[in-house]
Amino acid sequence: GQNIDQPTEMTATEGAIVQINCTYQTSGFNGLFWYQQHAGEAPTFLSYNVLDGLEEKGRFSSFLSRSKGYSYLLLKELQMKDSASYLCASVGITGTASKLTFGTGTRLQVTL
Amino acid sequence: DADVTQTPRNRITKTGKRIMLECSQTKGHDRMYWYRQDPGLGLQLIYYSFDVKDINKGEISDGYSVSRQAQAKFSLSLESAIPNQTALYFCATSDERGYTFGSGTRLTVV
Repeated sequence: GQNIDQPTEMTATEGAIVQINCTYQTSGFNGLFWYQQHAGEAPTFLSYNVLDGLEEKGRFSSFLSRSKGYSYLLLKELQMKDSASYLCASVGITGTASKLTFGTGTRLQVTL
Repeated sequence: DADVTQTPRNRITKTGKRIMLECSQTKGHDRMYWYRQDPGLGLQLIYYSFDVKDINKGEISDGYSVSRQAQAKFSLSLESAIPNQTALYFCATSDERGYTFGSGTRLTVV
């Protein structure tokens, strides 16, 4: 089966660093995505991890530990435009079929 | 032009009506998906298709049907719309490098 947990809401201050955690239980795990979604808009790709470790991309970094079923998204130098929902999604492979399962998303509010 | 295009962007329909949401893509991807999103529930998979002859039910397929008319087109139908199908619907495509989402269709059933 598939199960993904992430906090519902977080608040952080402009210029600060915030870490959004995600734990997953995914059959046939084959990677983990992070997406950003502004209200009413489509999710946009932030990162993809399939191997353990940290992937850095500008102000955003993503970490994966396959043995712990754990990932986090790290946002540095927060800006007001970073206020959005952040979706953790795992890829599970069954036979030849791969499916993406989403968590409920973490709504991040960046304040002055 | 967008890689994944959904029509309509917004739709209000009455209970019991049949409605079709359309999705077309220029990515050349074989894999296409329909998701619905409700506040606080994330994206839930309705149906997915890995090629023109392959259709699979997702987590919440009841009350929905799909048609894969061509590699580039994947439509979602609500045979008899009901108010709890009011949601934001997303079409997506994928290959080994990731997923691309359409801009969404906001459907309201009154």
